[in-house]
Amino acid sequence: DAKTTQPTSMDCAEGRAANLPCNHSTISGNEYVYWYRQIHSQGPQYIIHGLKNNETNEMASLIITEDRKSSTLILPHATLRDTAVYYCIVRVTGTYKYIFGTGTRLKVLA
Amino acid sequence: GAGVSQTPSNKVTEKGKYVELRCDPISGHTALYWYRQSLGQGPEFLIYFQGTGAADDSGLPNDRFFAVRPEGSVSTLKIQRTERGDSAVYLCASSPTEGGRGTDTQYFGPGTRLTVL
Repeated sequence: DAKTTQPTSMDCAEGRAANLPCNHSTISGNEYVYWYRQIHSQGPQYIIHGLKNNETNEMASLIITEDRKSSTLILPHATLRDTAVYYCIVRVTGTYKYIFGTGTRLKVLA
Repeated sequence: GAGVSQTPSNKVTEKGKYVELRCDPISGHTALYWYRQSLGQGPEFLIYFQGTGAADDSGLPNDRFFAVRPEGSVSTLKIQRTERGDSAVYLCASSPTEGGRGTDTQYFGPGTRLTVL
């Protein structure tokens, strides 16, 4: 079944790059990897998604390994406002069920 | 424009009571999802609507949970005979595209915190 594994927590110094890994070894060939983040007491917020190629937008970059079994979300210059729980998400093939997992709690330190 | 809204923001009820949670999606969004989030956990999928129909209700935990979207916009999640284990934040998300495709970005509401005493 679809599943993602992420470290429970990470710290990052303000202004430095935050690299958040995710393992999704059971992902099937045509499923995307999505990243969302959730700031305390708010609903999750979309960050980025990708299939095979690396992706970049105004918020972050996404690096997906060639075998698609893992990916890394990169926040190039972390700010205090990036402190949140970051979720790597995959869909169960053939359904509309998205699996969030427990996420990584990122704390950006001043 | 206006985002996804959910009402009430907080709901406290007693065990055994019936509750309704409302979701107003972004105007024009055809796809709508409900999730449940327990403390310290990620959101857990409950149900997906494409238009008026529930295309996937595989996440509903049991038959006490039901959701409707009669006109393809507002959705209501209904919980009968509430139990203490139903206490959680219930999140709604909408998307402008049909679910299951690579571009179906979900826009989440702030959630309804349900507490069953």
